Amino acid sequence: KAGVTQTPRYLIKTRGQQVTLSCSPISGHRSVSWYQQTPGQGLQFLFEYFSETQRNKGNFPGRFSGRQFSNSRSEMNVSTLELGDSALYLCASSPWTGDYEQYFGPGTRLTVT
Amino acid sequence: AQSVTQLDSHVSVSEGTPVLLRCNYSSSYSPSLFWYVQHPNKGLQLLLKYTSAATLVKGINGFEAEFKKSETSFHLTKPSAHMSDAAEYFCVVSGRNNNDMRFGAGTRLTVKP
Repeated sequence: KAGVTQTPRYLIKTRGQQVTLSCSPISGHRSVSWYQQTPGQGLQFLFEYFSETQRNKGNFPGRFSGRQFSNSRSEMNVSTLELGDSALYLCASSPWTGDYEQYFGPGTRLTVT
Repeated sequence: AQSVTQLDSHVSVSEGTPVLLRCNYSSSYSPSLFWYVQHPNKGLQLLLKYTSAATLVKGINGFEAEFKKSETSFHLTKPSAHMSDAAEYFCVVSGRNNNDMRFGAGTRLTVKP
C-alpha cells in the first residue's frame, strides 16, 4: 500500500497570506489528523477529520481550519499567516477514529517570511 | 489529563552497544503508549505500541519497550545500536481521543562508529 502523501513538501509564504496544504491518507483509512511541529513547542495536535466531519480539535486559533473530502483526502488551510506559523505540518491517517495507531506522512515544511 | 516526559533530550551511544531511551507518563485513564521515530526531513514512523496486553512490547528494527505501571514508565530499549538508528524518538501517551494525545519533547539518538 502507498503511504500517506503530503503536498507540497516545501512552501514559502509571506506574512498575511494564506496557504492550503494537502494530505492523501493510506487507501482505506478514513481518519486524518493534522499536527504542527516546531522546535519550541514540539508536536501539537491541530484537528482530526473522520467521514468528512471534524471530530476533535486542538488548541489553535480559528485561522487554522481544515476539511475532508468524500475520498478521505484532507486539506488544511491557514489564513493571515504569521511568522510563528513557520513549522513542519504533519498529516497522519488511521483506519478509524479513535484508532490511535497513526501513520504519518513526510510533512510540509512551511516557512513564513 | 495526560502528560509524557522524555527524561533525556539527547542520548549518544557507540555502534553495537545497548540503547535506552527513557519515558515517564501520567494518565487519568488506562493509557495507550507509543514510540515513534523520526529521521531527518521525514514523518514519524511507528516503532511499537502498548494497549494493555503484554507489558513487554516488541517493535520493528529490534526495539522493544516495557510498560511498568508501578513506575509509570515506558522505556525504549535495543540490545545493539546500528548507525541507521540515529534519529529523533518520541514517546506518546493517548487517551480517548486524538486531542488527548500527548507527545514527548523527543530524544535525539546519536550513534557513534
